[in-house]
Amino acid sequence: QSALTQPASVSGSPGQSITISCTGTSSDVGYYDFVSWYQQHPGKAPELMIYDVTNRPSGVSNRFSGSKSGNTASLAISGLQADDEADYYCSSFTTSSTVVFGGGTKLTVL
Amino acid sequence: EVQLVESGGGLVKPGGSLRVSCAASGFTFSSYSMNWVRQAPGKGLEWVSSITSAGTYIYYADSVKGRFTISRDNAKNSLYLQMNSLRAEDTAVYYCARGGYCSGGRCYGEHFDNWGQGTRVTVSS
Repeated sequence: QSALTQPASVSGSPGQSITISCTGTSSDVGYYDFVSWYQQHPGKAPELMIYDVTNRPSGVSNRFSGSKSGNTASLAISGLQADDEADYYCSSFTTSSTVVFGGGTKLTVL
Repeated sequence: EVQLVESGGGLVKPGGSLRVSCAASGFTFSSYSMNWVRQAPGKGLEWVSSITSAGTYIYYADSVKGRFTISRDNAKNSLYLQMNSLRAEDTAVYYCARGGYCSGGRCYGEHFDNWGQGTRVTVSS
């Protein structure tokens, strides 16, 4: 159950777009379309932003979008806003019927 | 409104035991799989365990297998995590998270759409 690989940090200016990658294996990201993304502000519980690779829960801005190619999933955020500054985690269901998270990416809005 | 409220965290010595609980409201608890996810201080999220709606299927992370036991009481709308043989590396905030909707023996959705505020567990002598 090795963690999915995410960049430790990304940054962008307000209004810009960024992308966060999430690399797994053929036993998790590459096998199922069950990749999710979570946003976590300091001291708060995580919040679901994307599920099943591309789906947004109701109430989540359409500035957030997800995609996947092979063993790598991506989260894109367009029109960066100050409140987007947070930690982001990807997760995937695995062939062992477990869930694995990425190590997390700190997004800084410059 | 979905609410998940964890309780039972605290300070425990290495080798000790602790049971944390999660009280659910605002949805049909018996129709959803439930999960525990933890976060060590300054670290990322780690999935710990899941249980299907009727408790038929249970899964654990390798790091806790044989030491932790997940359970639920659908009559009380409650989820539990019994933690035994605790180690310093189990120190974390433990979150209860709602999983997929279950029907006809199958669960749909492998994401966590609602989370509690967490309960802190510290393992230290």
